[in-house]
Amino acid sequence: EDQVTQSPEALRLQEGESSSLNCSYTVSGLRGLFWYRQDPGKGPEFLFTLYSAGEEKEKERLKATLTKKESFLHITAPKPEDSATYLCAVQGPYEAGTALIFGKGTTLSVSS
Amino acid sequence: DTEVTQTPKHLVMGMTNKKSLKCEQHMGHRAMYWYKQKAKKPPELMFVYSYEKLSINESVPSRFSPECPNSSLLNLHLHALQPEDSALYLCASSQGINSNQPQHFGDGTRLSIL
Repeated sequence: EDQVTQSPEALRLQEGESSSLNCSYTVSGLRGLFWYRQDPGKGPEFLFTLYSAGEEKEKERLKATLTKKESFLHITAPKPEDSATYLCAVQGPYEAGTALIFGKGTTLSVSS
Repeated sequence: DTEVTQTPKHLVMGMTNKKSLKCEQHMGHRAMYWYKQKAKKPPELMFVYSYEKLSINESVPSRFSPECPNSSLLNLHLHALQPEDSALYLCASSQGINSNQPQHFGDGTRLSIL
C-alpha cells in the first residue's frame, strides 16, 4: 500500500536554529513528490516538486532533497514567519490516476 | 495571492439548507479537484474533473454534488448536510490528470453546519 509518513509531527525552533523535516514514502513508480506550506485557515501553498532521486530545489531559506525512499525539507536560519504546517505529498504511477497521497504534516513553530 | 479563487470564504448553514461553493482558476488548467480537510488532518480527495467531465468520485455521499460549467469554473452544491460535514473545503487545479505538475490550491471555504 502506498504511504507517506512525515516526522516529526511538531517542531519548535528558535529563530536562526536550522533543522530538517522528513517525508518517508513507499510508492511504486513515483511520478512526483510535492512540498506544500499551509498556514492556519488557508489552503496549501505549493513550494517544490521533486521528480527523481538526487534532485534538489531551493527557495529562500528552504531546500528540498529527494532520495529513493525519502525527502527532506531543510530550513536554514528560520524566521518566525516560517511557522506553518508543511505537507508532503506523492503522486504514483500514471495508472494509479491523479490522486495525491498526503502525509499528516509537520507543524513548525519558530520563536524569536 | 493564490491563483485559485474560492467563494465564499466562510459559510454557515443549517442541515436543511441548500448552498453552493464556487471555485475559479485562470491558469488554463484542465483538471480541477475538490478536497475536504478536517482540523489537523491532510486534505482528502472528493472529486476530480478532467476537461469538464467528472473523472473521479471518491465515494462521496450524494448530498455533495459537483458541477463543472466550463474549464475555469467548478461548483460544489450542498444539500441536507450533517454536522460532521463541517470542514475546510479546498479547490485545486492542475495542468491535467495525467500530468506530473503540481496541484495549486485555493484558500478554501470554511463550512459550518448547525
